[in-house]
Amino acid sequence: NAGVTQTPKFRVLKTGQSMTLLCAQDMNHEYMYWYRQDPGMGLRLIHYSVGEGTTAKGEVPDGYNVSRLKKQNFLLGLESAAPSQTSVYFCASSVPGLAESSYNEQFFGPGTRLTVL
Amino acid sequence: AQKITQTQPGMFVQEKEAVTLDCTYDTSDQSYGLFWYKQPSSGEMIFLIYQGSYDEQNATEGRYSLNFQKARKSANLVISASQLGDSAMYFCAMREGGTGGFKTIFGAGTRLFVKA
Repeated sequence: NAGVTQTPKFRVLKTGQSMTLLCAQDMNHEYMYWYRQDPGMGLRLIHYSVGEGTTAKGEVPDGYNVSRLKKQNFLLGLESAAPSQTSVYFCASSVPGLAESSYNEQFFGPGTRLTVL
Repeated sequence: AQKITQTQPGMFVQEKEAVTLDCTYDTSDQSYGLFWYKQPSSGEMIFLIYQGSYDEQNATEGRYSLNFQKARKSANLVISASQLGDSAMYFCAMREGGTGGFKTIFGAGTRLFVKA
């Protein structure tokens, strides 16, 4: 099993360019997430999905769109990149379960380092 | 609103000694889960330990234990017998209740330095 993979690992964009980050998981997980990590801060949730064809906004959704057309893939799009979107992006997946009683940890991908000039 | 606070930006510990990393949380939910993750310099997020809000026993995983004090809303990570490989960033996180798996909130992290 590859677990959670992310493509690409690094990317440099110019302001206004668009791109799509791809997350793939082979664990048959229902839930998938996109986070961003900025220096001195923990991870912040951008968008998440609780199943194929469904997505929802997280803590910092502005400037991003997502799609979950297939259960194993979760795409994060930047339509018009801005320098404020320079960050490390992490994808994660998990099984569903009750927060307080289920051992349903999130499995993380290796991250994508994005720089917007 | 839910919040995770890690008040120690950096910590030093001597190899083979124990160290406690602090985490306090704020939530109005009765049902929640608490996590600790390790992030080495290579960047990946490594799950360490989990505690459910209804768990009466403190969670333990090898050299990691979670000192859960529900009334004080604290979930400190204790690493026993520190090793050089423990040098990393450590994040405390909380997931709130219900059929969740989403809306996990992370603290700002504590950087641990293990000295030889």
